Amino acid sequence: AQSVTQLGSHVSVSEGALVLLRCNYSSSVPPYLFWYVQYPNQGLQLLLKYTTGATLVKGINGFEAEFKKSETSFHLTKPSAHMSDAAEYFCAVTLIGGFKTIFGAGTRLFVKA
Amino acid sequence: KAGVTQTPRYLIKTRGQQVTLSCSPISGHRSVSWYQQTPGQGLQFLFEYFSETQRNKGNFPGRFSGRQFSNSRSEMNVSTLELGDSALYLCASSYGTGGNTEAFFGQGTRLTVV
Repeated sequence: AQSVTQLGSHVSVSEGALVLLRCNYSSSVPPYLFWYVQYPNQGLQLLLKYTTGATLVKGINGFEAEFKKSETSFHLTKPSAHMSDAAEYFCAVTLIGGFKTIFGAGTRLFVKA
Repeated sequence: KAGVTQTPRYLIKTRGQQVTLSCSPISGHRSVSWYQQTPGQGLQFLFEYFSETQRNKGNFPGRFSGRQFSNSRSEMNVSTLELGDSALYLCASSYGTGGNTEAFFGQGTRLTVV
């Protein structure tokens, strides 16, 4: 069965510092991979996704993620954090041809001035 | 283009009552999924509908049910409400059918059971 693990329920960085949010998945075959962001009292918004092709995926707001099959990982990074990046981030997987998306528990990002 | 619309935004119900939540997907989207979000459990998949058919279901009791209409609008129903059903219920719609397309989320319905 597929599952998603996000390491760290809370991550705190200083403004301007590197953001690294970790995501590992468990699946018998490589799935489709997504990162979503949720701001308070809002739904989720897609940051980026990996389906096929280039393993380094660039998303909105300067975020990017790299699919590493050998490590079953899809970590999210941003070179320089901004105060507006403070939110909750969810990693998600969907099996190819599947109709069910599984979300990780989420990582809340805090950005300090 | 209008986004995913969920109604109502907020709801307070008493234990034992039932509740119906509504979701209008983005025009042209035929897939609608429902999730329950709580601080302790995160986002839990409830079910997914496509063209009025339920294609997948999460591990929730039978008190949770849903349906999709011919215009792709979807409703979910929770009967015999329990305190633990208090949560943010999110609906997401997507265009594709193979799981590789983006899900667009509504703002959710916050249900409080007292």
